[in-house]
Amino acid sequence: DQQVKQNSPSLSVQEGRISILNCDYTNSMFDYFLWYKKYPAEGPTFLISISSIKDKNEDGRFTVFLNKSAKHLSLHIVPSQPGDSAVYFCAASSMNRDDKIIFGKGTRLHILP
Amino acid sequence: EAQVTQNPRYLITVTGKKLTVTCSQNMNHEYMSWYRQDPGLGLRQIYYSMNVEVTDKGDVPEGYKVSRKEKRNFPLILESPSPNQTSLYFCASSFDIGYGYTFGSGTRLTVV
Repeated sequence: DQQVKQNSPSLSVQEGRISILNCDYTNSMFDYFLWYKKYPAEGPTFLISISSIKDKNEDGRFTVFLNKSAKHLSLHIVPSQPGDSAVYFCAASSMNRDDKIIFGKGTRLHILP
Repeated sequence: EAQVTQNPRYLITVTGKKLTVTCSQNMNHEYMSWYRQDPGLGLRQIYYSMNVEVTDKGDVPEGYKVSRKEKRNFPLILESPSPNQTSLYFCASSFDIGYGYTFGSGTRLTVV
């Protein structure tokens, strides 16, 4: 059973517009959430994270929103740039239980010129 | 530079021929892990290690072995590779199990 779900395998967004990547989770014990970005032929790189005590975390063009009641988080990229074209993985862990990170299947983002 | 180094980057081998993919990190991280990435399946954990001499199975451990004799190294061993182990493999490390990981650049393995 998938504990972290990214239901959109791919997403295309015009350059300059907002990209919104969504992620749902089922385990209510998750309290720490991360987004990773992956270019072809490279390993995933950490992008941004959020603890369950917050509902928003911002870092430059990237903002992650967490809705605990809906067990949903989203990554917003504004404005989208060509270099943002990559695969984005949502991930979650339970810090209190000292558990490992669980990854979603990823969403491929295409930024269109 | 803080990094996770995997070798080799690319490997083509034949069924049944034992192989080892090496992984080394220079950040003094306690936690290390191996993942495989397959189309439509995302990142799936193979094995992980909380510390030296401590290893545990992940979600897809069948057909793999690991060892953690030193803190910095975490090799992945395929004793008898099969074609269904053709995949892209990533090693990752972290100072703690639940925090952000640093990933290696990946090893693309093809078993024919």
